[in-house]
Amino acid sequence: EIVLTQSPTTMAASPGEKVTLNCLASSSVSYMNWYQQKSGASPKLWIYGTSNLASGVPNRFSGSGSGTSYSLTISSMEAEDVATYYCLQLSSYPPMYTFGAGTKLELK
Amino acid sequence: QVQLKESGPGLVQPSQTLSLTCTVSGFSLTSYNVHWVRQPPGKGLEWMGRMRYNGDTSYNSALKSRLSISRDTSKNQVFLKMNSLQTDDTGTYYCTRARTTVVLFDYWGQGVMVTVSS
Repeated sequence: EIVLTQSPTTMAASPGEKVTLNCLASSSVSYMNWYQQKSGASPKLWIYGTSNLASGVPNRFSGSGSGTSYSLTISSMEAEDVATYYCLQLSSYPPMYTFGAGTKLELK
Repeated sequence: QVQLKESGPGLVQPSQTLSLTCTVSGFSLTSYNVHWVRQPPGKGLEWMGRMRYNGDTSYNSALKSRLSISRDTSKNQVFLKMNSLQTDDTGTYYCTRARTTVVLFDYWGQGVMVTVSS
């Protein structure tokens, strides 16, 4: 079973600051998905297939990575980006979907 | 438009069985997979299991002995049943759709809060 380790656990960024969230897989994976969850709301698909932005996601967001190391980057932090971000990976056999523990992003 | 909506009891007694329903609209259960994901208060997301478009099911190995997922395609509903509930099963339960093996969980329900308490 793949384990996903997200870092940092919590971080605060100032408006306009560049932000990088990390997701480390315990073994090599083909791609990574990211989800944004704001307080009291359902998660939203944010990035799929490592680097593809979901519909409606601002282009200040980007995703990258390969093998065991993946990241979500915000080029310029905005107040509306305050949320918890989770990475997700699928293992094919047996089918198992694993979320990282999340990174809580706050505004400084 | 695509919608998913969970329903079920908000309170379940310890050792009892949880029964939840996910009612979908805007897509067919015979074309898309539907998953269940839960979230304890203040904690992260946990995948529970899925109903595939062809009726096959898969479960999180940690929950497999207690969990059952079924569906009624005529009613556009997917069901979750989990027995032997304990207090650490308290949380918000979501159903979500998978469009492909990469575009996972593109739509989510609003979630239903379940409290396990006597």
